[in-house]
Amino acid sequence: EVQLLESGGGLVQPGGSLRLSCAASGFTFSNYAMSWVRQAPGKGLEWVSAISGSGGSTYYADSVTGRFTISRDNSKNTLYLHMNSLRAEDTALYYCAKYLHGGNPDDGLDIWGQGTMVTVSS
Amino acid sequence: SYELTQPLSVSVALGQTARITCGGNNIGSKTVRWYQQRPGQAPVLVIFRDINRPSGIPERFSGSNSGNTATLTISRAQAGDEADYFCQVWVSSTEVFGGGTKLTVL
Repeated sequence: EVQLLESGGGLVQPGGSLRLSCAASGFTFSNYAMSWVRQAPGKGLEWVSAISGSGGSTYYADSVTGRFTISRDNSKNTLYLHMNSLRAEDTALYYCAKYLHGGNPDDGLDIWGQGTMVTVSS
Repeated sequence: SYELTQPLSVSVALGQTARITCGGNNIGSKTVRWYQQRPGQAPVLVIFRDINRPSGIPERFSGSNSGNTATLTISRAQAGDEADYFCQVWVSSTEVFGGGTKLTVL
């Protein structure tokens, strides 16, 4: 069964850091680009970042550029999101998701985890 | 930056056809995906590349895209279709989501 399991969320103070992880199983992880998408409580979906299957190409939303870093360890089938200089507006449920067909974003995100909650508050 | 505009809400009678629009500048030249999100659940991809359904998505779900509007059509609406729906495109090396539409089945 194809599965994604996020972890690492929690309560952090403004200006703090956090690292999210997403453990993948049931598919050849290195063959697929991956994305992080977040959803603030009661709000819509906001794309955060994406990474190619090899990890050689990364993409970021303007709202997180320079503060967040996406990475992956294909030997561990794990996706990461390193978050620095966190702000109250980063408070959200963070989902990792897999692209349907390898590295083409046009095919959309077909598998999503259940999310990990990040709360930025003093 | 590129923006996608969706109506906040759409209502449809049980068994009828619902149409949810997604507006964007020349969106017809881009490739649209649609997601369904039921309360408390992760999103589910229902349409990709404008008109294609992933495995397991009922034929009642269909998509179109032309000019400045993409449309998700849900035929023979069921109670289980009540959810939030989001459109999405890839543009300038970023993903963009619409604000979402709440579908109510009456």
